Order: sequence, then C-alpha cells, then structure tokens
Amino acid sequence: SSELTQDPAVSVALGQTVRITCQGDSLRVYYASWYQQKPGQAPILAIYDKNKRPSGIPDRFSGSNSGNTASLTITGAQAEDEADYYCSSRDSSGNHWMFGGGTKLTVL
Amino acid sequence: QAQLEQSGAEVKKPGSSVKVSCKASGGTFSSYAISWVRQAPGQGLEWMGGIIIIFGTANYAQKFQGRVTITADESTSTAYMELTSLRSEDTAVYYCAKNDYSRSYLDLWGQGTLVTVSS
Repeated sequence: SSELTQDPAVSVALGQTVRITCQGDSLRVYYASWYQQKPGQAPILAIYDKNKRPSGIPDRFSGSNSGNTASLTITGAQAEDEADYYCSSRDSSGNHWMFGGGTKLTVL
Repeated sequence: QAQLEQSGAEVKKPGSSVKVSCKASGGTFSSYAISWVRQAPGQGLEWMGGIIIIFGTANYAQKFQGRVTITADESTSTAYMELTSLRSEDTAVYYCAKNDYSRSYLDLWGQGTLVTVSS
C-alpha cells in the first residue's frame, strides 16, 4: 500500500493522555515522522526516528512503532497542543514521501 | 540557525505556470534534499516531489509527473518548483522542506507561498 491512514479527529481533556495513530505498509520499513501544524502556520517536526524530539518540542510528546502502525502520544496534553498532526514516511521505493491525511487534535 | 525563505504570494491565470523559490541559509545546502509539499485550503499535506542537491536528481509524485519541475542552484542555495498548466485546483499553499538527504524526516520548513489560480 502507498498510503498512510490517520483518524481525522481526536479529542482529549486538558492534562490527560492522547494517542494519535498512523497505519501503512511503509511503516514496516521506515520510521514515521510526525509534524504539528497550527492554523496559519507551517508544519514543524515533532517526532522523528520513532521517538526522538527536535529541540523545542516538549518531552510530553513521544513516539512509538509496532508493525505497520506508528503512534504519537501526548502525556498531559496542554491547550497549546491543539493542532493538526500529520504522519509521514518514505514509500517502499524510498524515493518518494507520503503524508497521512492528518488528525485534528482538540484539547477540551 | 538554518532557515528556508520562500518567495511571495502569486496570483495566476488558469493554463499559466508558476515558479516558487526557496532560499536556504545557515546550513550546508549541498547536504540537503528539498521537498515541495502543498496544502489546498482546508486540506492536508501533499508531497509533490523533491531533489537531492548533491546529485541534482529529482523525483516526482506520480500525480504531478509532467507538470512539475524541481531544480536547484547551489551557487545561490536556492531550490525552485515550477508547476505548469495551472488549474483552480492548484490553489494552495506551497511549502519547501528540507531533510539531510540520508535522513527520512523533514526537519526544516519554509514559511509557505500561497498560489492562487483564478480567472
């Protein structure tokens, strides 16, 4: 398959834990990367190489991978985490990239 | 610190072409691969293609094959994306993003360029 599948929307109560998932055959070969996008802004890298965070991303963000599923977990979600989250990986050829359809996270 | 600076917004007629630039600074351009990703209004991210700077080789998503050309000028640390035969559905924000070419994540994004296609 050359697709990455995400749930369109997820909500979480303030301070609780939320997991956003991404499924695709390419994830058996390549780690997913995760991007956060807030309204009117460019995406930023949030998680890479399964569970690494760029500087500036809070440690409440973590990633994991199992088989064809990658997950982004936010432990103790904050209001500022409300955003769209996209997973991405290379495709099976390694020469092309794919994005999931995105998950809109609402913090209640 | 490294940055990607994109050219300004464009308004184009259907059937015309647009060329968007992406100038890198603060890093080693030759070690980059630059991808172009677009986002139509209210929609998700869509990878269009990319170029590995050191090899000068470009790859394109099948959807855009024949309509998009991605190039780079090492002397100015600038990448370009040209899209031809524009139609209204091409109205979108176009982003450039870079990865170190051996890496599989886009660690720096440009600010985006809005291209509006309208008669």
